[in-house]
Amino acid sequence: GEDVEQSLFLSVREGDSSVINCTYTDSSSTYLYWYKQEPGAGLQLLTYIFSNMDMKQDQRLTVLLNKKDKHLSLRIADTQTGDSAIYFCAEGSSNTGKLIFGQGTTLQVKP
Amino acid sequence: DGGITQSPKYLFRKEGQNVTLSCEQNLNHDAMYWYRQDPGQGLRLIYYSQIVNDFQKGDIAEGYSVSREKKESFPLTVTSAQKNPTAFYLCASSKRSTNEKLFFGSGTQLSVL
Repeated sequence: GEDVEQSLFLSVREGDSSVINCTYTDSSSTYLYWYKQEPGAGLQLLTYIFSNMDMKQDQRLTVLLNKKDKHLSLRIADTQTGDSAIYFCAEGSSNTGKLIFGQGTTLQVKP
Repeated sequence: DGGITQSPKYLFRKEGQNVTLSCEQNLNHDAMYWYRQDPGQGLRLIYYSQIVNDFQKGDIAEGYSVSREKKESFPLTVTSAQKNPTAFYLCASSKRSTNEKLFFGSGTQLSVL
């Protein structure tokens, strides 16, 4: 079945770049998403990329998609303490018509 | 402001009790979803509804029930059959149901007394 995998934890220093990685298995995915969750809150859509794109940039966020390797990454430039949160990768599965979420990557930003 | 409202923020359940979590949206979205989140785990789909008066089981529907009598509302009942209900519950909606981006409510933390 469809599966989405993420590393569980990433720690960076304030001002550095953060790179959060995600792999997925469904080659028929049409959209891939990045969500951010702050403690005790719901998920906030950060950005998304259509499967026929390689890259998308939105201010400090850069999404890279390697469709051949089924690998998605989110780069946050000039990481701030306010970026500390859990980041979820999700794929839109054409097979099921639903989003499949990874386990989430906890980003810790040290001052 | 358009959005999704979940209530209550915190809920406590006694053994053998059914409890209902509320989810309301004013985004005019057709599809609505309930997810369960446990610490250190991703989101698991409980139920979803693509249209009024219709809903489907997700991956972990046992011990839960839903209704979709109105487009705006998708309440989730956690029944006494759900033996491990302590979790963070998230409601979401999307304009249509075909793997479109989801918009989430702020969640309900359910705990067992």
